[in-house]
Amino acid sequence: DAGITQSPRHKVTETGTPVTLRCHQTENHRYMYWYRQDPGHGLRLIHYSYGVKDTDKGEVSDGYSVSRSKTEDFLLTLESATSSQTSVYFCAIRRESPTDEQFFGPGTRLTVL
Amino acid sequence: KNQVEQSPQSLIILEGKNCTLQCNYTVSPFSNLRWYKQDTGRGPVSLTIMTFSENTKSNGRYTATLDADTKQSSLHITASQLSDSASYICVVSESSASKIIFGSGTRLSIRP
Repeated sequence: DAGITQSPRHKVTETGTPVTLRCHQTENHRYMYWYRQDPGHGLRLIHYSYGVKDTDKGEVSDGYSVSRSKTEDFLLTLESATSSQTSVYFCAIRRESPTDEQFFGPGTRLTVL
Repeated sequence: KNQVEQSPQSLIILEGKNCTLQCNYTVSPFSNLRWYKQDTGRGPVSLTIMTFSENTKSNGRYTATLDADTKQSSLHITASQLSDSASYICVVSESSASKIIFGSGTRLSIRP
């Protein structure tokens, strides 16, 4: 599992409230990613990070912000949650060697009422 | 537009039978193609990864093929087991860190 944990694993919140999801890794990988997964869609990239304080937007970044103040932690924030952000959120890291591939966390199921 | 299309969307087979899942892509420039297995309620787990020069790779009962000319890949599962019930996701990377395109997956159900 490449030492990836996500917290919380499940969360129910109300529309308009702020929500922060945390991804933690133990292997000091440079790249970290946040995806959302919805029925009928593949995993879609929200934001990614290529180092401390270095982040960039993915294809579905509207309504989300991220921060990476330490190598091991990548935070995803929904400033004002909406029902359309109900989804399962996956964090991933990129291991660059010996093979360049991604490893995923266990996911966070978020429900916005 | 870079796309990854998988077929079928879902598949039901009997335990012990073989099956083949398909993945077609239009991603360019191509870097690598991966197949992931995702059990219900869990994150995807890598099965195989292939670069441009590789046309087949096996991982136990899973065998992936890649035809870079036609931009097609397949995942063949031999002697299926109940534990193979999962979603299988095809993922194609462009030649850059950020461009990774996921297919929508094939949901495979194995019946006893």
